Amino acid sequence: GQQLNQSPQSMFIQEGEDVSMNCTSSSIFNTWLWYKQDPGEGPVLLIALYKAGELTSNGRLTAQFGITRKDSFLNISASIPSDVGIYFCAGPGTSYGKLTFGQGTILTVHP
Amino acid sequence: EPEVTQTPSHQVTQMGQEVILRCVPISNHLYFYWYRQILGQKVEFLVSFYNNEISEKSEIFDDQFSVERPDGSNFTLKIRATKLEDSAMYFCASSGEDLHLYQETQYFGPGTRLLVL
Repeated sequence: GQQLNQSPQSMFIQEGEDVSMNCTSSSIFNTWLWYKQDPGEGPVLLIALYKAGELTSNGRLTAQFGITRKDSFLNISASIPSDVGIYFCAGPGTSYGKLTFGQGTILTVHP
Repeated sequence: EPEVTQTPSHQVTQMGQEVILRCVPISNHLYFYWYRQILGQKVEFLVSFYNNEISEKSEIFDDQFSVERPDGSNFTLKIRATKLEDSAMYFCASSGEDLHLYQETQYFGPGTRLLVL
């Protein structure tokens, strides 16, 4: 089946630093979604990307849909302690509606 | 802002018992989903549901599982004869108030933590 690989697996940064994480797939995706999950909570949608090459921002977050349609990255600028959590990329599989998730990037921000 | 809600937030059950997890999707959404996340692992797709029938199911979603939309607002996941390995967070999601534009943007509920003893 389709696989999404996220890197890095985890990041430990200081407050105020910028963060970059990415996601690659074994096949083409038509949509890329980035979610954040806090402990014990459900994934919360951060950014949705629908077109190859698209660059979209949501506050301090910026995400891009790779030209090859096989990758995407998420940047967080000027990180703050509440950015702590697990960030997942996800995309629809080959079948209708099913989302395939990456394994997540665990972000820790030190004050 | 509309959101997906789930009840209960936590459920503890004995192995072999049946549980029903409940979800209220976002109003006017057309597509409904259940996902599972075993502790420390990634989110896994279980089943999608549209127009009162299952659209797709994963290999995890065997005869032990069933879904139902008993009325205009609720969407349920029933797990029969629960096993220890069914312990996980179960997330409901919905999408698709606009078939062509939004069908692939799924919004998740807060989850139900199921513990099978």
